[in-house]
Amino acid sequence: AQSVTQLGSHVSVSEGALVLLRCNYSSSVPPYLFWYVQYPNQGLQLLLKYTSAATLVKGINGFEAEFKKSETSFHLTKPSAHMSDAAEYFCASTSGGYNKLIFGAGTRLAVHP
Amino acid sequence: SAVISQKPSRDICQRGTSLTIQCQVDSQVTMMFWYRQQPGQSLTLIATANQGSEATYESGFVIDKFPISRPNLTFSTLTVSNMSPEDSSIYLCSAVLGLAGAETQYFGPGTRLLVL
Repeated sequence: AQSVTQLGSHVSVSEGALVLLRCNYSSSVPPYLFWYVQYPNQGLQLLLKYTSAATLVKGINGFEAEFKKSETSFHLTKPSAHMSDAAEYFCASTSGGYNKLIFGAGTRLAVHP
Repeated sequence: SAVISQKPSRDICQRGTSLTIQCQVDSQVTMMFWYRQQPGQSLTLIATANQGSEATYESGFVIDKFPISRPNLTFSTLTVSNMSPEDSSIYLCSAVLGLAGAETQYFGPGTRLLVL
């Protein structure tokens, strides 16, 4: 069965530090992979997506993610954290096409001065 | 990106009552979805709502509890029926937009429901 695992329910970084949020997927077919961000009391905003084109995907707000098939991973990174990056981040997958999304449990990112 | 709106944005309801949540997309879409996000949890798909056909429900969700309408290509409703405190959640709708090969699923802002 298809699944998405996010390692670390809470991640805390200093402002200016590297952000690394981990996501591993399990899928019997090549997946489409997504990162969404949810700010407090808001809906989900798409950060970036992988759809079998370039393995390094650049998204909004300076985030990027790299698809590694050998590791079944799609980790999200940002070189320098900003206070405004504090939010909940969700990794999600579909098994090809744009049908239902399977979400990971989410990672809450805290950024401290 | 598309604009997806939901009404109401939040509500407090008494157990045993029902609430209908509306989702409006600013362009025509084929696929719409309804998700539930329980407090402190991730999102779980409730059902897929395609225009012109009955909604398809995921395991654990039934039409009697969560009836869905999809009268046209820009609008859908989700009703939470006979509510109990366990139904307190954020309910989000989403829609798939974009050209073939570049589709993206966009989300509405969510409806925050508290059942007393």
